[in-house]
Amino acid sequence: DTEVTQTPKHLVMGMTNKKSLKCEQHMGHRAMYWYKQKAKKPPELMFVYSYEKLSINESVPSRFSPECPNSSLLNLHLHALQPEDSALYLCASSQDSREDGYTFGSGTRLTVV
Amino acid sequence: QKEVEQNSGPLSVPEGAIASLNCTYSDRGSQSFFWYRQYSGKSPELIMSIYSNGDKEDGRFTAQLNKASQYVSLLIRDSQPSDSATYLCAVNLGRYGNKLVFGAGTILRVKS
Repeated sequence: DTEVTQTPKHLVMGMTNKKSLKCEQHMGHRAMYWYKQKAKKPPELMFVYSYEKLSINESVPSRFSPECPNSSLLNLHLHALQPEDSALYLCASSQDSREDGYTFGSGTRLTVV
Repeated sequence: QKEVEQNSGPLSVPEGAIASLNCTYSDRGSQSFFWYRQYSGKSPELIMSIYSNGDKEDGRFTAQLNKASQYVSLLIRDSQPSDSATYLCAVNLGRYGNKLVFGAGTILRVKS
């Protein structure tokens, strides 16, 4: 079992819907991340939260809105997505030092119809 | 030039052989390097990390780092069919603080 939990595992949404992806970690990590992964491509960084503050936003469209309610929780709010946004969305956490690898959750497979 | 480059493969090796996976990176300020394994439809799993020049061994896995050549590799000894997966090289880019960037991944196929 992964120590980073993502819900839901699968999500199908229409282009006019609003939905949220949720991520939770109980490892005491101080940084949390959202990555997007398309089929046969590597994960691409979207957002970084360090000590509950947004530290990196990789020029992600505003239809993706991250939120970090506390050090254990990370949300990704979705609104007015496009079919090309369909992908595997991965949450990860780390101790926020350069020596620490990231621990990934199992991901949410998102399909936009 | 891509920040992290890998040969996409697929790399095919027979069971019991040594698989050698390679990665180069562009930022000389990078300080930490990671190998992830990703099975089809699953999330990446950290298998090795390395920070200093030289070799680091963990079971059947050996990571090698050469900062002068900006090169990192992963050796898998006694390859098993269960090792068949995509191997992602990840580099923590020095100039961005803590930001992990992934290479495109190498597909490894171990034939029994």
